[in-house]
Amino acid sequence: TQLLEQSPQFLSIQEGENLTVYCNSSSVFSSLQWYRQEPGEGPVLLVTVVTGGEVKKLKRLTFQFGDARKDSSLHITAAQPGDTGLYLCAGWVSSNYQLIWGAGTKLIIKP
Amino acid sequence: DADVTQTPRNRITKTGKRIMLECSQTKGHDRMYWYRQDPGLGLRLIYYSFDVKDINKGEISDGYSVSRQAQAKFSLSLESAIPNQTALYFCATSDLRDSPNEQFFGPGTRLTVL
Repeated sequence: TQLLEQSPQFLSIQEGENLTVYCNSSSVFSSLQWYRQEPGEGPVLLVTVVTGGEVKKLKRLTFQFGDARKDSSLHITAAQPGDTGLYLCAGWVSSNYQLIWGAGTKLIIKP
Repeated sequence: DADVTQTPRNRITKTGKRIMLECSQTKGHDRMYWYRQDPGLGLRLIYYSFDVKDINKGEISDGYSVSRQAQAKFSLSLESAIPNQTALYFCATSDLRDSPNEQFFGPGTRLTVL
């Protein structure tokens, strides 16, 4: 069974601080996606990383795929209240066309 | 208008009742999925369908059934609801031609089984 472990499960910090969320597995994924979910809505894709070692930036968010394609991280610089939400990572298993989901990190940014 | 819609948005029912959750999409995608979300457990796949004639069980299909009535419609049924099926249910779609496979989600149905 392929698993994706996300940490931390919950994070509450002050506006302006930096943070990192981790997504780890013992399995290799073809690619890894990060989604953000707000209350009352479904998850929305933020980014997909495909190549081992790949780094993608989305404004203040930096996403990295591990060299071995088993892990990923999301780093937010100078967090803002608008970053509040549930962040989910999902690994793509091309052999059976399915996404394996992490449990999510609930992030609260206090003004 | 939303590309992926789910009805109802909220439902409270009693143990033993049959419940149907419906999903419609206007994205023209072949692939459709049903997930449930529980706090601390993330999204778990119930059933998925890659076209109208293709239905597959996911990780947690026991107690659920599905019907793919058309390319745009995929419904989830709970034949005899039980309290541990209380959860947030999401429908999602993806494009067969998209790799890696971005999934597009509906707004969810919050189901409570008493």
